[in-house]
Amino acid sequence: QKEVEQNSGPLSVPEGAIASLNCTYSDRGSQSFFWYRQYSGKSPELIMFIYSNGDKEDGRFTAQLNKASQYVSLLIRDSQPSDSATYLCAVIVNDMRFGAGTRLTVKP
Amino acid sequence: DAGVIQSPRHEVTEMGQEVTLRCKPISGHNSLFWYRQTMMRGLELLIYFNNNVPIDDSGMPEDRFSAKMPNASFSTLKIQPSEPRDSAVYFCASSSGYNEQFFGPGTRLTVL
Repeated sequence: QKEVEQNSGPLSVPEGAIASLNCTYSDRGSQSFFWYRQYSGKSPELIMFIYSNGDKEDGRFTAQLNKASQYVSLLIRDSQPSDSATYLCAVIVNDMRFGAGTRLTVKP
Repeated sequence: DAGVIQSPRHEVTEMGQEVTLRCKPISGHNSLFWYRQTMMRGLELLIYFNNNVPIDDSGMPEDRFSAKMPNASFSTLKIQPSEPRDSAVYFCASSSGYNEQFFGPGTRLTVL
């Protein structure tokens, strides 16, 4: 089992819809969880982090963490074409491990 | 702050040649990470340093790969000899403790 698993996609949603990105992790000792966005040809950039169970909201983005289910998700409300990118889930135990990423396309 | 600086941005070399990638982390960050990204394998952690000391190099694929961090503001990743399968984008990232990592722009390496 991979340490961090994501659906590779592609995930396609219409503009204005909610995009839901999911991630599961294998190590119950994981304490910190991150979502990075990577545009094609660019480096990953952090958009959200979450440490505690529950929801964390930042603008159009909401991160959700359920440690019992070893599950973390990212919701993007009112999706825009500029949100089209690959979203990487990352988990820290002793160091940061990344999932393979989910490619999101938001169609106008 | 200039962010994480990597050089060169692009490198094209021939199989068997030595390749050296360079990274300057963000000032004040005490952790530095080297990653490799390919379409097939995604983003892989190669090695990371904490306070200039290598902590985990289990991701380094072979003895052909080596990394150094002689001081807090500079690190190198060396491949000798290079092979076509080393072609990838190599990212350097830095952080302060177990916090968010800031990535450099990456070095796109092509080995012919």
